[in-house]
Amino acid sequence: NAGVTQTPKFRILKIGQSMTLQCTQDMNHNYMYWYRQDPGMGLKLIYYSVGAGITDKGEVPNGYNVSRSTTEDFPLRLELAAPSQTSVYFCASRSWTVDGSSYEQYFGPGTRLTVT
Amino acid sequence: AQRVTQPEKLLSVFKGAPVELKCNYSYSGSPELFWYVQYSRQRLQLLLRHISRESIKGFTADLNKGETSFHLKKPFAQEEDSAMYYCALSDTGAQKLVFGQGTRLTINP
Repeated sequence: NAGVTQTPKFRILKIGQSMTLQCTQDMNHNYMYWYRQDPGMGLKLIYYSVGAGITDKGEVPNGYNVSRSTTEDFPLRLELAAPSQTSVYFCASRSWTVDGSSYEQYFGPGTRLTVT
Repeated sequence: AQRVTQPEKLLSVFKGAPVELKCNYSYSGSPELFWYVQYSRQRLQLLLRHISRESIKGFTADLNKGETSFHLKKPFAQEEDSAMYYCALSDTGAQKLVFGQGTRLTINP
């Protein structure tokens, strides 16, 4: 299994441009997440999905959109890039433990985005 | 509101010394807590969860409901423990995690 994969690894955008960050998982996980990681600020949840066709806002959704048409893919869309969106973006998926008592999130390698 | 606080952004200790990374949380209910770790050039990964009461790589963490804390401890730090550590709290519906700000741990030789 490749686990959670993200593309691209790096990207520089100009203010006002748009782009889509791709995220794919091959573990058949229903839950998927998008986070941003700003220096000294930890991980902030942008959007999440509990299954195909279902998405919900996290803590910092403004300026982003998501879709979940398949179990495997969970792309994140930036419509009008702003300098405040300069960050490292992580995608994650989640599985329950074998005994169902807890769960674990699996993270992708991240996308480093700079908006200038 | 659910919140996780890691008061130390940076922590530096010498190899062989004990290490404690602090984590405090606010949650009205029975919390489920985790520690995630990110080593240099690696992905963020689960280190341990409180419900398992396990020791991973020599690290342990005890949930103290009275003090609303879930500090991560290791009696003898190793250089390979240098990493970014995040404490995380599961929300009420167990749908998502709330992360702390993270602590960068550096183990000096």
